[in-house]
Amino acid sequence: DIVMTQSPDTLAVSLGERATINCKSSQSVLYSSDNKNYLAWYQQKPGQPPKLLIYWASTRESGVPGRFSGSGSGTDFTLTISSLQAEDVAVYYCHQYYSSPHSFGQGTELEIK
Amino acid sequence: EVQLVESGGGLVQPGGSLRLSCAASGFSFSTYAMHWVRQAPGKGLECISVISSNGGNTYYANSVKGRFTISRDNSKNTLYLQMGSLRAEDMAVYYCARAGGLFGELNYYFDYWGRGTLVTVSS
Repeated sequence: DIVMTQSPDTLAVSLGERATINCKSSQSVLYSSDNKNYLAWYQQKPGQPPKLLIYWASTRESGVPGRFSGSGSGTDFTLTISSLQAEDVAVYYCHQYYSSPHSFGQGTELEIK
Repeated sequence: EVQLVESGGGLVQPGGSLRLSCAASGFSFSTYAMHWVRQAPGKGLECISVISSNGGNTYYANSVKGRFTISRDNSKNTLYLQMGSLRAEDMAVYYCARAGGLFGELNYYFDYWGRGTLVTVSS
C-alpha cells in the first residue's frame, strides 16, 4: 500500500502571507499511460466533511479560490496558499488515488500566527 | 444536486455488528465507484473500502479486511457497509464518498462526500 506523509504537522502563518504544505508518497503516483499524477488535496473544517480543492496534483476544483494551487510530480507534491485568509484555517490532507485502497496523508493543521 | 446521506451509526458493544447505509441522489449512482472513508475522533482520514460501479470489484484496507463488507444496490441508489467483530479502534465517523470518474473508475478523486455517521464502540 502507498503511504502518504505530510509536512509539517502544524503550520502557523500570518494573514496575507504564503502557506506551503508538502506531501510525499512512498511510491510514484504518476500513471505513465496518461501522464497524470493521481494526487488530490482536501480542506477540512471542524464538524464538516473534507472539501476537494485540487486534483490531478494541480487542477483547481470549480469554485476554489485562485490563491490555492498545487504542484509536484511523481512522489513529491506541494499545496500553496498564496495569501492566507482567516477562512483558510483548517486541516489539509493529500490523497493518493493511484491504487486501491486509497490513502491520505496524516493532515496538516493550518493556523493563524 | 448531488447528495450523499449516511445512516445506521450508533453505539455498539465490542464484538458486535452494524450496517451503515449511504443514500445517493442527484446523479446516476450506478455509473460511479463509491468509497467508505472513516475518521477516528481527533484523527486523520482512512480509506477503508471501495466498490466498483456494478459491484463486481471491491477492495479493503488491511485494518478491516475480513470483518467489513461493502456492497451496493443500484436499484435503490444505496451503498452499504456491513461491519462485524467491531473493536474500540473502529470508533469513528464514517463517510461515503463518490469517486468522480464518469466511467466508474475506482481510482479517481473524491468529488462528493456525505456528512458522515458516527459509530461508537463501547461496552
